Amino acid sequence: GESVGLHLPTLSVQEGDNSIINCAYSNSASDYFIWYKQESGKGPQFIIDIRSNMDKRQGQRVTVLLNKTVKHLSLQIAATQPGDSAVYFCAENEGSQGNLIFGKGTKLSVKP
Amino acid sequence: DTAVSQTPKYLVTQMGNDKSIKCEQNLGHDTMYWYKQDSKKFLKIMFSYNNKELIINETVPNRFSPKSPDKAHLNLHINSLELGDSAVYFCASSQRGLAGVPLRFGPGTRLTVT
Repeated sequence: GESVGLHLPTLSVQEGDNSIINCAYSNSASDYFIWYKQESGKGPQFIIDIRSNMDKRQGQRVTVLLNKTVKHLSLQIAATQPGDSAVYFCAENEGSQGNLIFGKGTKLSVKP
Repeated sequence: DTAVSQTPKYLVTQMGNDKSIKCEQNLGHDTMYWYKQDSKKFLKIMFSYNNKELIINETVPNRFSPKSPDKAHLNLHINSLELGDSAVYFCASSQRGLAGVPLRFGPGTRLTVT
């Protein structure tokens, strides 16, 4: 389920390690999912997306996994770099109007 | 060649004032959105406009009103500003049609109400 609390969930990794960021989505009817990266002082930036008819999609150093059975989405970042430090959001498309519903976000900190 | 731009980037104002935030996109998208990001980084949709028609309004107070002079612009007007309106506001755009098109976001406008 979604995290509850005052602080943003934080994942701290060593440079060069792999990172896994998890997300639980709410609507079993959602058919499209996106991961966004938001650096400090900037707007969310598209990373990778996946449709509900797939369970895995790979990009450059990133992989998204979708488990519709448990309504779970994950983002894997290979060989994490300091430039990957940011807040990561998952988002689900709730319908044909393209309205994206965002998850609460996870802050990724990369230690050099 | 900025895709989605917003002005101003920072806006500091007093309670009770009326202010506007402007947004422009040069991507040729037919749908534009406004999102609000609170202090906990939670992003919530406020409005979207498709071909000058409001298609989503997520129970936002009527002090907030989007205005779209054409499909490349969606401005946000806020009347009688309150302390709780302090947040970062993001404009976004997409090409609606088939479901499943990523939104492109602007750089955000940080609004501080004192």
